[in-house]
Amino acid sequence: DAGVIQSPRHEVTEMGQEVTLRCKPISGHNSLFWYRQTMMRGLELLIYFNNNVPIDDSGMPEDRFSAKMPNASFSTLKIQPSEPRDSAVYFCASSGGFGAFFGQGTRLTVV
Amino acid sequence: EDKVVQSPLSLVVHEGDTVTLNCSYEVTNFRSLLWYKQEKKAPTFLFMLTSSGIEKKSGRLSSILDKKELFSILNITATQTGDSAIYLCAVSNTNAGKSTFGDGTTLTVKP
Repeated sequence: DAGVIQSPRHEVTEMGQEVTLRCKPISGHNSLFWYRQTMMRGLELLIYFNNNVPIDDSGMPEDRFSAKMPNASFSTLKIQPSEPRDSAVYFCASSGGFGAFFGQGTRLTVV
Repeated sequence: EDKVVQSPLSLVVHEGDTVTLNCSYEVTNFRSLLWYKQEKKAPTFLFMLTSSGIEKKSGRLSSILDKKELFSILNITATQTGDSAIYLCAVSNTNAGKSTFGDGTTLTVKP
């Protein structure tokens, strides 16, 4: 298995633009997590899905953030409109039981 | 709310030293405790601990969990410069495996 696959690896966008981050979890894993990591706030859980259903989105910063999981092999995290303070590394992780396995992350820079 | 506290926040040692990293937690419906190593990119999975008193070992790294006192330690013996990284502790609850991360311990191993 190739592991958790995220795209793009890097994204630079202008303030106000829409940004879509993509994630393909490990096949067979039924939980998927979106995290954001910054120097100031560390690793924060934004939202997680179980069997494609959002279970807890309390970590989503505000309405500008939305996440979907239309099927077991794909998820998106969308920011619209983006702001400079959204600049961070966004990780997707999946789990089939106990441990979460992370993708390589998307480094987002909003200028 | 689940909580994970790691100590120390940072540590500088010389090659050959032994280090102990600490992780204390509060979690409802404990399922597992996880240790990750993060270098420049995504966290990589080290250990999953579910039972008290059973040491997990991988090379120079070992970890143990105390579910009564709600903490875990990660030991690294004969440290090498390649051990320099952020070490993250996370606890997973039974609610679809949601993980809460600590702020991490930044370990720097000098030659």
